[in-house]
Amino acid sequence: GAGVSQSPSNKVTEKGKDVELRCDPISGHTALYWYRQSLGQGLEFLIYFQGNSAPDKSGLPSDRFSAERTGGSVSTLTIQRTQQEDSAVYLCASSLIGAGVAGGSSYEQYFGPGTRLTVT
Amino acid sequence: AQSVAQPEDQVNVAEGNPLTVKCTYSVSGNPYLFWYVQYPNRGLQFLLKYITGDNLVKGSYGFEAEFNKSQTSFHLKKPSALVSDSALYFCAVRERGQTGANNLFFGTGTRLTVIP
Repeated sequence: GAGVSQSPSNKVTEKGKDVELRCDPISGHTALYWYRQSLGQGLEFLIYFQGNSAPDKSGLPSDRFSAERTGGSVSTLTIQRTQQEDSAVYLCASSLIGAGVAGGSSYEQYFGPGTRLTVT
Repeated sequence: AQSVAQPEDQVNVAEGNPLTVKCTYSVSGNPYLFWYVQYPNRGLQFLLKYITGDNLVKGSYGFEAEFNKSQTSFHLKKPSALVSDSALYFCAVRERGQTGANNLFFGTGTRLTVIP
């Protein structure tokens, strides 16, 4: 596809349930990022994948959050035992070269439309 | 510590008038600066970036931004606003030479409304 796609676009779940959010990056982009956007807040970095390297998980807010990237392409963000404070828009982005690579920090990121998660 | 500030939560401008969305930053060294726009129910779209060179950067949809090192600012501008420019605008900064994904800092966004 031409851009980053995410699914589902909206997810409503009950507190305590697990959810999976999916991201399809732009073909050929080596880097993939997950962010969380809460109302009135900037983007909060969650996790970063660069090629086949170990992911940078430094932004994950708790051990209930995890992510994987299969085959260097599609990524899934999993939130276990969801809490109401997890409600937010989860954005995925990809870039041609990742910020974790020398010279990669000048490359812009391309964002998907996001998944709006509501925990009731 | 790196940070970026967008001092205005909301900017209103009449269609056809020039618009400015303000951004100031703080980094220890030299910055890379980015502007993104978010339309309703859409992800962020890249508008423009400053890496090095000419302080005036031109981007998509007629937008431009001027890097001012002495004022540590990177204000977004457009000579003539369109109603379709109404959206949420985010400024972001990364310190040049810093690697790692967690050092791209976003502002909290400015909502631009262009009034017909």
